[in-house]
Amino acid sequence: DAGVIQSPRHEVTEMGQEVTLRCKPISGHDYLFWYRQTMMRGLELLIYFNNNVPIDDSGMPEDRFSAKMPNASFSTLKIQPSEPRDSAVYFCASSSSTGPESFGSGTRLTVV
Amino acid sequence: SQQGEEDPQALSIQEGENATMNCSYKTSINNLQWYRQNSGRGLVHLILIRSNEREKHSGRLRVTLDTSKKSSSLLITASRAADTASYFCATERVTSGSRLTFGEGTQLTVNP
Repeated sequence: DAGVIQSPRHEVTEMGQEVTLRCKPISGHDYLFWYRQTMMRGLELLIYFNNNVPIDDSGMPEDRFSAKMPNASFSTLKIQPSEPRDSAVYFCASSSSTGPESFGSGTRLTVV
Repeated sequence: SQQGEEDPQALSIQEGENATMNCSYKTSINNLQWYRQNSGRGLVHLILIRSNEREKHSGRLRVTLDTSKKSSSLLITASRAADTASYFCATERVTSGSRLTFGEGTQLTVNP
């Protein structure tokens, strides 16, 4: 089992550019979560999916953020346009309905 | 605001000593989980304790849960330098389905 796979590991982009973060959950997991971690705000849940359907996106900061899960093995988190305050580590996690969450290694995003 | 609040924020001990971290929460929960995060990495699930359980063990870890006080503790016995990490409690609230709410974490440093 390869675990949750995120790409890229690091992303540096200029303000105003579009950023796309990618996640491959663990096979068989039917829940997928996107988190953002910063020193100031800690670990925040942005959105989560169940069986590819978005269930709760109340944590998405604003309309610049969007997430999709076109199939059970892939999800994206997109920021358009990006701003310096979006700089953070973004984690994807997946779980089964009865198990704990397994986290990816994260994408460290820096917007300059 | 965060559901879980860890105490202390930072803890520094010598190898071989025990480390105790506490977590308090505000609303009724289905379960409480502890996660560990090494610097620059994703979170790793350590242990889950259900609301009808009072104590659980896993190797050198002991977790207690007091639902009347809405608090939990994580004890790491005979600590090792490799235990140096941030430790987070996360609660699955009764009203939140499968979403977890994470605390701000305790930074544990074990000095060799």
